[in-house]
Amino acid sequence: SSEVTQPPSLSVSPGQTASITCSGDKLGNKYIFWYQQKPGQSPVSVIYEDNKRPSGIPERFSGSNSGNTATLTISGTQAMDEADYYCQAWDSITGVLFGGGTHLTVL
Amino acid sequence: EMQLVESGGGLGQPGGSLRLSCAASGFTFSNYNMNWVRQAPGKGLEWVSYISFSGNTIYYAESVKGRFTISRDNARNSLYLQMNSLRAEDTALYFCAKFGPTMGSNGFDVWGQGTMVTVSS
Repeated sequence: SSEVTQPPSLSVSPGQTASITCSGDKLGNKYIFWYQQKPGQSPVSVIYEDNKRPSGIPERFSGSNSGNTATLTISGTQAMDEADYYCQAWDSITGVLFGGGTHLTVL
Repeated sequence: EMQLVESGGGLGQPGGSLRLSCAASGFTFSNYNMNWVRQAPGKGLEWVSYISFSGNTIYYAESVKGRFTISRDNARNSLYLQMNSLRAEDTALYFCAKFGPTMGSNGFDVWGQGTMVTVSS
């Protein structure tokens, strides 16, 4: 299967750790990318190639990928982190795979 | 600053055609693989099409295969999407997106602001 699955929603309290998962068959064999999208804005890369942070992305964002699951971790979650998060992989046969997105609520 | 600016969206008739354009600046366009990604109102991201830096390798999502055509003009730093046989389900905000940050990367590092396509009679 070339599908990637995310939980539709997640809620965390400010200052807590948010862990957003992305699941798919042998996902650990692919690079995973994570994007943050706030309402009315274009997506922004927050993690690339499993665990690298683009310039300007806070250190509280981290990523891991092993087996069938990749995880985006936001440590010390802040109100500004409330957004939709999408994972993405590349499949050499079918092209780009997106997860369905996870809406993170910080309350 | 790397920038992508889409244009060409608007109202299209079912069965009709539209052509989207994306103007790139701030990076060597001819070195990077490019994509179109769309987002229907209130929905998630859906990848549409990929074109390699040279234009020699192209992929399409099943939902648009046979109806949409991606192309690029490296001399004009421009990416295109020809959309034919439009359907209501093609209604979405269409983003131009660059693969990066390295030339071999298969994730997006730069996104445009999007151009809205509405298919309705």
